[in-house]
Amino acid sequence: EVQLVESGGGLVQPGGSLRVSCAASGFTFSSYWMNWVRQAPGKGLEWVANIKEDGSQKYYVDSVKGRFTVSRDNAKNSLYLQMNSLRGEDTAVYYCARAGFTSGCDFWGQGTRVTVSS
Amino acid sequence: QSALTQPASVSGSPGQSITISCTGTSSDVGGYNYVSWYQQHPGKAPKLMIYDVSNRPSGVSNRFSGSKSGNTASLTISGLQAEDEADYYCSSYIGFNTWMFGGGTKLTVL
Repeated sequence: EVQLVESGGGLVQPGGSLRVSCAASGFTFSSYWMNWVRQAPGKGLEWVANIKEDGSQKYYVDSVKGRFTVSRDNAKNSLYLQMNSLRGEDTAVYYCARAGFTSGCDFWGQGTRVTVSS
Repeated sequence: QSALTQPASVSGSPGQSITISCTGTSSDVGGYNYVSWYQQHPGKAPKLMIYDVSNRPSGVSNRFSGSKSGNTASLTISGLQAEDEADYYCSSYIGFNTWMFGGGTKLTVL
């Protein structure tokens, strides 16, 4: 059974840093692009970043470029999102999602909540 | 780049059909056959319903179908059921390995 389990969310002050993680199981993690998608309270979905199977390519939404870094450890079946210089507008539930199709994330985690507030 | 445009809400009665539109530009929806649709119930993670414009993942009901014409993609749900009540989001490839979601549509089953 495919499972994605996020962790590491919490309350952080503006300007602070946080790293969220996603533990994958039930599939060959190293064979899939992976994505981070977030959802601010009461708002819609926003694609944040993705990373190629071997970690050699990474892409970001403009609003997080230079502040967030996506990475993965295929030996540990884990995906990470390092978030620096956090702002209030980064407050959201962060989901990791497997890119199982050319367009389409077929499996999602339950999300981890990040709150940026003083 | 602004989010893809979806109606804020749609509604229908059980058994009826509804269509949700997703309008973009020739740089996203109109430029690639890489549109997907997600269903999200309150407090839950999104669920993939359609990928690559019109393909259904295994396990998704054939009451759900997708299409595209020009810069507008559409999700049609036929034979509406109470459990279809949820938020629906479209997503499109926008080039350079990046993606964008629509603003979301709240479906109410009357």
